[in-house]
Amino acid sequence: AQSVTQLDSHVSVSEGTPVLLRCNYSSSYSPSLFWYVQHPNKGLQLLLKYTSAATLVKGINGFEAEFKKSETSFHLTKPSAHMSDAAEYFCVVSDYNNNDMRFGAGTRLTVKP
Amino acid sequence: DVKVTQSSRYLVKRTGEKVFLECVQDMDHENMFWYRQDPGLGLRLIYFSYDVKMKEKGDIPEGYSVSREKKERFSLILESASTNQTSMYLCASSVGLLGELFFGSGTQLSVL
Repeated sequence: AQSVTQLDSHVSVSEGTPVLLRCNYSSSYSPSLFWYVQHPNKGLQLLLKYTSAATLVKGINGFEAEFKKSETSFHLTKPSAHMSDAAEYFCVVSDYNNNDMRFGAGTRLTVKP
Repeated sequence: DVKVTQSSRYLVKRTGEKVFLECVQDMDHENMFWYRQDPGLGLRLIYFSYDVKMKEKGDIPEGYSVSREKKERFSLILESASTNQTSMYLCASSVGLLGELFFGSGTQLSVL
C-alpha cells in the first residue's frame, strides 16, 4: 500500500527567507504526486503536480518541487516567503496501478514579518 | 471559473439528528468525492462517485451514506449524527479518478 509522510507538522519562516516543506512517499509503482494549499476557511487548491515528465515541477505563486525517485521524496520549495504563503500544505500521491490516492497529514506554514 | 459549492459553511446539529451535506459542481465532472479533514490526520476519503447513481466506499464510510441523483450534485448523509462526526467536510470533483481535485470551501460540522 502506498503512503505519504510530511516530515514537519509545522514550519515557521521569516518573510523573504526560503521555504522548504518536506514530503516522502512510498509507492509500488511510478506515482503521480501533487501539492495542494489550503488557506484559512478555504478549500484546497492545486499548487503543482508531477506526472512522470520533468522531475522539477514549477507551480503557482513561485513554488516548485523536485521528484527524487532514489530518495522517494517530493519536497516543496520557494526561494522567498511572502506573508500570503501562510497556509496549510498537503502532499498527495496517486497510484494508478492500485487505483489509490493518499493525502499527507499536512504542514502548517507560518510566515513571520 | 470552475466551481464546487458546498451548501453550508458552518452547521451545528444534535446527536441523533439526520444531517445532509450538499455539494454542487459546475464543471461537468464525472467524479465526485467526500472527504473528512481532522487536525493531524490530513484528508480521509469517505465516499466517492464515478457516475450518476454510482458510489464507492472510501476509507471511512461507517456512519455515512451518499446520494448522486444528478451529475452535478453529490450529497453526504449522516443517518444519526454522533459527536465523533464533528469535523470539517470537504467535497471535491475531478475529471479522472486520480487526477487533479477541485475542492469546495468545506462545511464545518459540529455535533453536540
